[in-house]
Amino acid sequence: QVQLVQSGAEVKKPGSSVKVSCKASGSTFISYAISWVRQAPGQGLEWMGGIIPIFGTPNYAQKFQGRVTITADKSSTTVYIEVSSLRSEDTAIYYCASWGQHPPIYYYYAMDVWGQGTTVTVSS
Amino acid sequence: EIVLTQSPATLSLSPGERATLSCGASQSVSKNYLAWYQQQVGLAPRLLIYDASSRATGIPDRFSGAGSGTDFTLTISRLEPEDFAVYYCQQYGSSPYTFGQGTKLEIK
Repeated sequence: QVQLVQSGAEVKKPGSSVKVSCKASGSTFISYAISWVRQAPGQGLEWMGGIIPIFGTPNYAQKFQGRVTITADKSSTTVYIEVSSLRSEDTAIYYCASWGQHPPIYYYYAMDVWGQGTTVTVSS
Repeated sequence: EIVLTQSPATLSLSPGERATLSCGASQSVSKNYLAWYQQQVGLAPRLLIYDASSRATGIPDRFSGAGSGTDFTLTISRLEPEDFAVYYCQQYGSSPYTFGQGTKLEIK
């Protein structure tokens, strides 16, 4: 089963950018759709977008189009999310998640494997 | 974009009781691609149910999902102390793969 390990907490200034990583175990990770979901303090879950590394084209929620970039590095089996023009409302825990069962499926599905979460704090 | 509305916002019950949580969609969910997650404080969400009614690996059979189209339910037959948490539904039939706002299940 795929396992996901995320990078550590970040503190950023408003207007700056942050890049969070999500390292997947196993070479078959390129066949799995990996999503990014965020959760602001005391709030619900929000799907931001995702990528299927074998195809390479990211899929974004309209709300984040233009300010969020999701990429995948097949050589390091790592997926990244970069959020630019940070504002206080971007303060949240950012999770990567995927359907991790074998055999892999090449589309977005329910998510039974989650990273541990990365706390991003935007503060002046 | 499909909007998911969960009800109630908060459900107060005692251990041993039956819990029924609802999730309504603003339009039909393709292939009934509807999931339920449980989230404990400070932890990542855990998948309970996918495809509206299939239990995820390792999930006790007191959890069950039902529904189709625009109306879905999660039922917990007999509440255990560890079941008190926040529950989210999510549709993954059409992008963006939206979540409901959550139902908090609290101890009465």
